Amino acid sequence: GEDVEQSLFLSVREGDSSVINCTYTDSSSTYLYWYKQEPGAGLQLLTYIFSNMDMKQDQRLTVLLNKKDKHLSLRIADTQTGDSAIYFCAESRDTGRRALTFGSGTRLQVQP
Amino acid sequence: DGGITQSPKYLFRKEGQNVTLSCEQNLNHDAMYWYRQDPGQGLRLIYYSQIVNDFQKGDIAEGYSVSREKKESFPLTVTSAQKNPTAFYLCASSLGTGKEKLFFGSGTQLSVL
Repeated sequence: GEDVEQSLFLSVREGDSSVINCTYTDSSSTYLYWYKQEPGAGLQLLTYIFSNMDMKQDQRLTVLLNKKDKHLSLRIADTQTGDSAIYFCAESRDTGRRALTFGSGTRLQVQP
Repeated sequence: DGGITQSPKYLFRKEGQNVTLSCEQNLNHDAMYWYRQDPGQGLRLIYYSQIVNDFQKGDIAEGYSVSREKKESFPLTVTSAQKNPTAFYLCASSLGTGKEKLFFGSGTQLSVL
C-alpha cells in the first residue's frame, strides 16, 4: 500500500477553513512537509514540521501532527480562490533512502 | 535569479526513441532528484543524486538513466525500454540529504507520438 495517504478531493466555499489530512506509516519520519502545486507547474513548499512538534502556525496555515496516530493535517484559514490547487504531504525519513516520499495529493477546489 | 530550470516544457517521443530531459540549478545545491507524476498517483521517485558523480535508483528507475557530471546539471534520459513514458516529469534539488526542503522546477510534459 501507499506509504503516505491522502484523500483525493476537497471542496470548500471561499472564506471557510480547509482541512487537508494525511497519514503516513514510517515512524522514523523526521520532517513532514506540505507542498502546493498549481496546474502545469512544479511544487512549491508551503510549510514543514519537525516530528517532535505537535503544531506549527504560519499566517493562515496551521499544521497539526499526531505522531501516535501518524496523522498530519494542514488547515488553511479564510480559504481564497487562489488557494485552489493540489496539496501534497511528504515525509523525510531518518534512515534508508535520502529522498522525500510524497502522498498522492489532495485537490482543493474553492467555490466563490 | 536563483532556481531550477527544466527544459523543454513539452516533449514528444516516437516509438523506440530515447529522449533527454534537462534540469539545471544555480542554487549551489548538492542533491538533485527526478520524480514522475501521473494523474491521481502523486510523485514517484525515479533517481536521485546526493553529490556529483554519484546517483541512486528510486522506486521506478527501470527504463530511465541519469548522469551527474556537474553539480548544476542532472539530465534524465527516457529510454526506449520505458514502455509507458507519458507523464509529467519534475526535477528538484536540495541543500543536502533529503531532509532538506526541496525546490522544484516547472516540469516537463512528455508524450508519446
